[in-house]
Amino acid sequence: GQNIDQPTEMTATEGAIVQINCTYQTSGFNGLFWYQQHAGEAPTFLSYNVLDGLEEKGRFSSFLSRSKGYSYLLLKELQMKDSASYLCAVLDSNYQLIWGAGTKLIIKP
Amino acid sequence: NAGVTQTPKFRILKIGQSMTLQCTQDMNHNYMYWYRQDPGMGLKLIYYSVGAGITDKGEVPNGYNVSRSTTEDFPLRLELAAPSQTSVYFCASSYEETYNEQFFGPGTRLTVL
Repeated sequence: GQNIDQPTEMTATEGAIVQINCTYQTSGFNGLFWYQQHAGEAPTFLSYNVLDGLEEKGRFSSFLSRSKGYSYLLLKELQMKDSASYLCAVLDSNYQLIWGAGTKLIIKP
Repeated sequence: NAGVTQTPKFRILKIGQSMTLQCTQDMNHNYMYWYRQDPGMGLKLIYYSVGAGITDKGEVPNGYNVSRSTTEDFPLRLELAAPSQTSVYFCASSYEETYNEQFFGPGTRLTVL
């Protein structure tokens, strides 16, 4: 079966750094996406990784290791507006997105 | 550009009723998708379309139907609503299915009682 695992909830302090992990087992791999979803809103795109390594985009970075079936999203200089759920999704061999349940990130002052 | 728009935002249905969730995009995207999102669960693909006149089933198509008569519109039809269809429904679109990001509509929160 296909499976994507992420922690259910994480708490971090404003100004700090947090790493959200995602492990996956899917039928094929054509890339991994991270989306941000604020409560009651639609998901919005953050990053896409298809090759191993780190992709940096401002305060957000995403890392991929295909051999380990592992990715993480790194958020630096946390702001209160970063309180949201972060969704990991893998594009499988049929080019369909398989979604994790999401990690709810709570930022405390 | 309005992006992806969905109507209605909220709806309460009685068991056995039917309804259509509307989705329109103005980005000239070929690919469109319908997802449902239940609490504590990942998004589940219901149906998708790779262009006008072409639709295909996703992971959870039972109880739903779709059509794609134009590039812009991708309505989702619920026949004989059941409590198990209580969920938040998101429509999304993308230029292609591969590395391109999907753009999501604001969602429809549906309750079946």
